[in-house]
Amino acid sequence: AQSVTQPDIHITVSEGASLELRCNYSYGATPYLFWYVQSPGQGLQLLLKYFSGDTLVQGIKGFEAEFKRSQSSFNLRKPSVHWSDAAEYFCAVVLYGGSQGNLIFGKGTKLSVKP
Amino acid sequence: IAGITQAPTSQILAAGRRMTLRCTQDMRHNAMYWYRQDLGLGLRLIHYSNTAGTTGKGEVPDGYSVSRANTDDFPLTLASAVPSQTSVYFCASSVQANTEAFFGQGTRLTVV
Repeated sequence: AQSVTQPDIHITVSEGASLELRCNYSYGATPYLFWYVQSPGQGLQLLLKYFSGDTLVQGIKGFEAEFKRSQSSFNLRKPSVHWSDAAEYFCAVVLYGGSQGNLIFGKGTKLSVKP
Repeated sequence: IAGITQAPTSQILAAGRRMTLRCTQDMRHNAMYWYRQDLGLGLRLIHYSNTAGTTGKGEVPDGYSVSRANTDDFPLTLASAVPSQTSVYFCASSVQANTEAFFGQGTRLTVV
């Protein structure tokens, strides 16, 4: 079955430290890949997306993600975390060419930032 | 401001009552979606519509119905609410299927 796995439910990092959030997917083909961020009480905001081409993609707020086909992964990174980055992060995929076309989400990783 | 508008923002509903959650987008997107978000379960697709006039079932469609009479509106109806439908509901849209989705601010529904 198609699935998206975010292995870390909750991560705490110190402000200024680097961050990596993991995402793995299970599909027969390469899907389109996304990272979304959700602040408390808010909707989801798109951070970045990968469709094809360069496997390192840049997003908003200083985030980047790297697609690794061999590992079926699309990990999100940020070199220096700010307190305002505390939020929940969701990885999502959509299968290219799929008739349904809807996003399938991982269960999310909650990020806490220590001062 | 262009985007997705959901109404109401929150609602407390008695079990057994009928409720329609409204969703309107002004981006002329073809595809629209309804998700529910529950703690520890992430977002799960309830229903979707790839284009006006068509709808499809997602992962958790039971107890919900949708319609897509035009491009802009995609209401979600709970015919007879049950406590397990307590959740935060998000409407989303995308230019077309298989592209990134844009989300509304959500409707927090409590069924008592």
